[in-house]
Amino acid sequence: AQSVTQLDSQVPVFEEAPVELRCNYSSSVSVYLFWYVQYPNQGLQLLLKYLSGSTLVESINGFEAEFNKSQTSFHLRKPSVHISDTAEYFCAVSSLTGGGNKLTFGTGTQLKVEL
Amino acid sequence: DVKVTQSSRYLVKRTGEKVFLECVQDMDHENMFWYRQDPGLGLRLIYFSYDVKMKEKGDIPEGYSVSREKKERFSLILESASTNQTSMYLCASRMTGVKGNTIYFGEGSWLTVV
Repeated sequence: AQSVTQLDSQVPVFEEAPVELRCNYSSSVSVYLFWYVQYPNQGLQLLLKYLSGSTLVESINGFEAEFNKSQTSFHLRKPSVHISDTAEYFCAVSSLTGGGNKLTFGTGTQLKVEL
Repeated sequence: DVKVTQSSRYLVKRTGEKVFLECVQDMDHENMFWYRQDPGLGLRLIYFSYDVKMKEKGDIPEGYSVSREKKERFSLILESASTNQTSMYLCASRMTGVKGNTIYFGEGSWLTVV
């Protein structure tokens, strides 16, 4: 079985400050990892994903996440946030074997960027 | 552009009613999913479908059924709606054969059962 833990339900931050949203996963097999973003009243959109290769992955809007196998983590970071980054962020895991079609989500972190 | 369309954004139904939530994708994807999203619980998988007429239970299938008669359409059915099924429902789809491939979501259907 696989699971995802997002310890922070809400993260308030001032505009232009750095932010880190934490994600830890549990799985007995190798995994793929994802971050999705949900803006108010919308569905989820893929932000970035780790499949293999370089452990640091980046999105087009300045977010990055680093896969750390020893710590089973996939934290999301941005060096300088903008008001428009206010949204809910979901970490998700998909195993490479068997249940590869199943994506397990964390409980989400609400990022609130303030002026 | 990828498009997953959920026909109803907001619904209000009475307890005991039969409810249909419809989802259509235009990407010829084999896999389709229904999730339920609740505050503090994240997204939980209700049912998924590998292909036409094929379905499997997710983590919380009780009280729900699904129908996939055509590749592009995946319906979620609440046989007898109850107040604890008040929630946001998200449909999603994905191409098969490529593990780790992106799942695309619809905009969601807000269901209130009174």
